[in-house]
Order: sequence, then structure tokens, then C-alpha cells
Amino acid sequence: DAEITQSPRHKITETGRQVTLACHQTWNHNNMFWYRQDLGHGLRLIHYSYGVQDTNKGEVSDGYSVSRSNTEDLPLTLESAASSQTSVYFCASSEGGLAGGRNTQYFGPGTRLTVL
Amino acid sequence: LAKTTQPISMDSYEGQEVNITCSHNNIATNDYITWYQQFPSQGPRFIIQGYKTKVTNEVASLFIPADRKSSTLSLPRVSLSDTAVYYCLVGSFRGYIFGTGTRLKVLA
Repeated sequence: DAEITQSPRHKITETGRQVTLACHQTWNHNNMFWYRQDLGHGLRLIHYSYGVQDTNKGEVSDGYSVSRSNTEDLPLTLESAASSQTSVYFCASSEGGLAGGRNTQYFGPGTRLTVL
Repeated sequence: LAKTTQPISMDSYEGQEVNITCSHNNIATNDYITWYQQFPSQGPRFIIQGYKTKVTNEVASLFIPADRKSSTLSLPRVSLSDTAVYYCLVGSFRGYIFGTGTRLKVLA
């Protein structure tokens, strides 16, 4: 069955280190998204991509970067991790096309990141 | 990007109908309205989506008035397993904004 996976599921790192969170989907979806979830803030959009070589900044993109070199993967990089980036990170994908927000997003299981 | 506003929490009893309203005053013409359900330690799961008027599926109904500035998710006859956080999402090709979510607690 098609799915979306995230790795690692849990990560502890130190302030200032570079961290990369992986997201892989096997639906062949064009659209991929990264969100972070903190208590009291719901889900906030970090970056999103509508296809290979396409990336866009979301609501809370500072300190994060993404690159899309193929359809299946959208890794999220924290260039210099900060304690404020301690959060749960969710990756999502949707079928694609510029058909407004009609495409249902499918979410991965999440990565819990702790920055000490 | 259209921001959404929902009640922070709601309590209900088993067997009752629950209605959760989401406000999205600056929704754009191309935006669809989607509701998700999230259990602890899991990613959100799609419930229902609509553009205008009423949509119904096997688990919920979605009511959208003509001006589309709000929407109401209706869960018929809730059970304890419906205890979760419910998110309203308004989206378009410009991006997607989740609301803060409504924490629904179903009591026996």
C-alpha cells in the first residue's frame, strides 16, 4: 500500500547542530508539506512544494529549509537548531495540480524533535 | 492566506450530535474547506471537504453558508472514540492554514 513515512521518529540534538528530517511518500503525489505542532498553536505550515525543484515558504519558515530533487522526498533541514525548534514535525502530501485546496492531504506519523 | 478561528474545546455526551463551527472571514474564491481529526501522537486524518452548501459522508456533514465565511462540522451520535482534536483547514494553491483546533471530549 502507498504510504508516507518520516524518519527518525524521535531525535534529540544540541543547539547549533544541523538536523535533517526525512519525509518519503509512495503515492507519487506532486504536493508535499512540512508542519510543526506545538502546544497551543495547532499545526503551522513551514514549507511546501508543488513539484520537483519547487519550494515555497510557509507561515513559520525562518530557520528551516527544504529541497525537492525527486517526487518522493522532501527533507526538512534545520541549519542551526535552536531550542525554540523543539516540536513535533509532520510531513504531508497531496495529489497535486493547481486545483485550489481540493486535494486531500495525507499526513505522516510525525517526528518528535528535542533541541537541548 | 485565510486564517481560521474555532472554539478551543467542547464537551459532549455519547449519542449526542456535535456541531463545531469554524470562522474564515477572508476565504478566497479558490479555497476549499477541509476538516481533519487528530488523535494524540498521530498525524491528522481527513474527515470531510466542501466548497459550498452541504456535504455529507459516512462519518460527518459539513455545512457552508452562501458567503462561505464560516463552516460547521456536524458529527452525528458521537462515541467515546470521537474524543480528539478537530481542525478546520482553508486552502488554495497559495498555501494552507490550520486553525488552532477544537478539542472535543466525549463523556460517557
